[in-house]
Amino acid sequence: QVQLVQSGSELKKPGASVKVSCKASGYTFTSYAVTWVRQAPGQGLEWMGWINTNTGNPTYAQGFTGRFVFSLDTSVSTAYLQINSLKAEDTAVYYCARDANWADAFDIWGQGTMVTVSS
Amino acid sequence: SSELTQDPAVSVALGQTVSITCQGDSLRSFYASWYQQKPGQAPVLVIYGKNNRPSGIPDRFSGSTSGNTASLTITGAQAEDEADYYCNSRDSSGNHLGVFGGGTKLTVL
Repeated sequence: QVQLVQSGSELKKPGASVKVSCKASGYTFTSYAVTWVRQAPGQGLEWMGWINTNTGNPTYAQGFTGRFVFSLDTSVSTAYLQINSLKAEDTAVYYCARDANWADAFDIWGQGTMVTVSS
Repeated sequence: SSELTQDPAVSVALGQTVSITCQGDSLRSFYASWYQQKPGQAPVLVIYGKNNRPSGIPDRFSGSTSGNTASLTITGAQAEDEADYYCNSRDSSGNHLGVFGGGTKLTVL
């Protein structure tokens, strides 16, 4: 079936980096963009940006430039989110989602990856 | 970027009808999509476009738009509908689905 499966929880120290993966299956990976969404503890959903899975071109939302990097490995149908120079305020659940442009919506979501930044 | 405003909390008696609203200027030009999120789970798309439900979403969920306000209506709310609901739409440029509402916590009494 169509699904996005993300990598497991991470515990990192401030200043470190983390790379979250999002593996697609059940559909042609390059036919849909991938969006990343952050949800801090007890907070709402925050759009981080998206990556064009055909060109690899990323677009970052305000507040997610500089330390955040979206990338792809189309050979394994996987999108990645890397966060550098981690801060305590990066502690959150990170979701990837399929951008169904025919619906103007995010129709398939990964299960989420909890990233905890603590010394 | 534009903003989408939702009431933080709404309650409904079991079996009754409830509407959750989402206000924003971008909704005059673009449809909202709606997501249900239960504790500890990923969001699930429940409504998109003018009023479309993905496969598997019960027909008690419906959507509508009037002016700058989009509404998600649950007709005959069930206990399992208790969740957080988020609207989403394009930003003011229209280029990206870059805006989420703050979310509404629905309690089914």
